[in-house]
Amino acid sequence: DQQVKQNSPSLSVQEGRISILNCDYTNSMFDYFLWYKKYPAEGPTFLISISSIKDKNEDGRFTVFLNKSAKHLSLHIVPSQPGDSAVYFCAASAFGGTGNQFYFGTGTSLTVIP
Amino acid sequence: DVKVTQSSRYLVKRTGEKVFLECVQDMDHENMFWYRQDPGLGLRLIYFSYDVKMKEKGDIPEGYSVSREKKERFSLILESASTNQTSMYLCASSFGRMIFDTDLSGANVLTFGAGSRLTVL
Repeated sequence: DQQVKQNSPSLSVQEGRISILNCDYTNSMFDYFLWYKKYPAEGPTFLISISSIKDKNEDGRFTVFLNKSAKHLSLHIVPSQPGDSAVYFCAASAFGGTGNQFYFGTGTSLTVIP
Repeated sequence: DVKVTQSSRYLVKRTGEKVFLECVQDMDHENMFWYRQDPGLGLRLIYFSYDVKMKEKGDIPEGYSVSREKKERFSLILESASTNQTSMYLCASSFGRMIFDTDLSGANVLTFGAGSRLTVL
């Protein structure tokens, strides 16, 4: 059963506007979350993280929001740029486990239209 | 910078062949992982290892095995390749135990290799 879900397979946004990518999780033990960006034929690259002690983390144009009660997180990209066109994955993990295992969503393909 | 290197970017194999995918990391990470990525299915964990000679099954271990004889190297083996194993294979590594990263520096992240695109004919 998918513990991390990204229900939107794709998203198109005009350059300069905000992109909002969503992620839901079912396991209440998850307390650490990552977002990755992936271009075709390349490995995923880390974008931004958040832990359950926070509800927001910013890094430049990227902001991640965490709503623990709703088991929901979102990634905001402002302003969106054509180079942001990629597949975005969210991932979740629980502290204290051996091996630091992360569970990934199915990904959202973002297209930023110039 | 952490570097995770996967030996082959593109491979084409025939059904029934034995396939080795090699992964090497240079940052003394304890944990290493093999994922496969398929359209609409995201990244699914095949196997992971948290120490030399240790291995744990992930979500889809069937048809695969792994080997970790040295800390820096984690190999994925397809004993008898099948067409449904055509996929992008991604290796990743990370530090051993997660730390409580209060400044959100990304200390617990997985670092991925560039991927190996395997086609089984």
